Amino acid sequence: DAGVIQSPRHEVTEMGQEVTLRCKPISGHNSLFWYRQTMMRGLELLIYFNNNVPIDDSGMPEDRFSAKMPNASFSTLKIQPSEPRDSAVYFCASNWGANTDTQYFGPGTRLTVL
Amino acid sequence: GNSVTQMEGPVTLSEEAFLTINCTYTATGYPSLFWYVQYPGEGLQLLLKATKADDKGSNKGFEATYRKETTSFHLEKGSVQVSDSAVYFCALNNQAGTALIFGKGTTLSVSS
Repeated sequence: DAGVIQSPRHEVTEMGQEVTLRCKPISGHNSLFWYRQTMMRGLELLIYFNNNVPIDDSGMPEDRFSAKMPNASFSTLKIQPSEPRDSAVYFCASNWGANTDTQYFGPGTRLTVL
Repeated sequence: GNSVTQMEGPVTLSEEAFLTINCTYTATGYPSLFWYVQYPGEGLQLLLKATKADDKGSNKGFEATYRKETTSFHLEKGSVQVSDSAVYFCALNNQAGTALIFGKGTTLSVSS
């Protein structure tokens, strides 16, 4: 069974550009999480969805960040406009939220904003 | 609020040495506790978990025991290998379907 799929794996962009990160959760999972990893702050939750509905977006830094989950098999995290301080590794994770607390992580997208 | 504190790294050991990485937590109720491992260039993988007090999680020679009285979940391995070199994260979850709360991570480097 395929794990969580994220694309792109690496993204280099210039300040002010729009960035879109993509995630495909494990088939059958109904919860999806976006985390950000930086040296300074470690791993922190940005937003999570249950059954495609955003439940907690309190970790989204500011209005420049937005996330969508149009269906059970796809989610996007968009940054517009991007800034150098957004440089980080962004992870997507999924699970079958009703029955388990174990989350399965994708390989991450390393974003560099110049 | 809920939080996880783990020892700062890096931890540098020789092959076959004993490993302990300390982790303590603050949480309301009875959280589930986890250790995740991140190998270079990869995402996080679940290493082991425990869901109630006195439970012991184990996997690949690693162990951790859920100690409610000391609010701890220390990771141990009796004999580390070079292939264990990675970043280890302690985490908790207070309710299924909600987000994990992670510690800052501890980098382990094992030399032969």
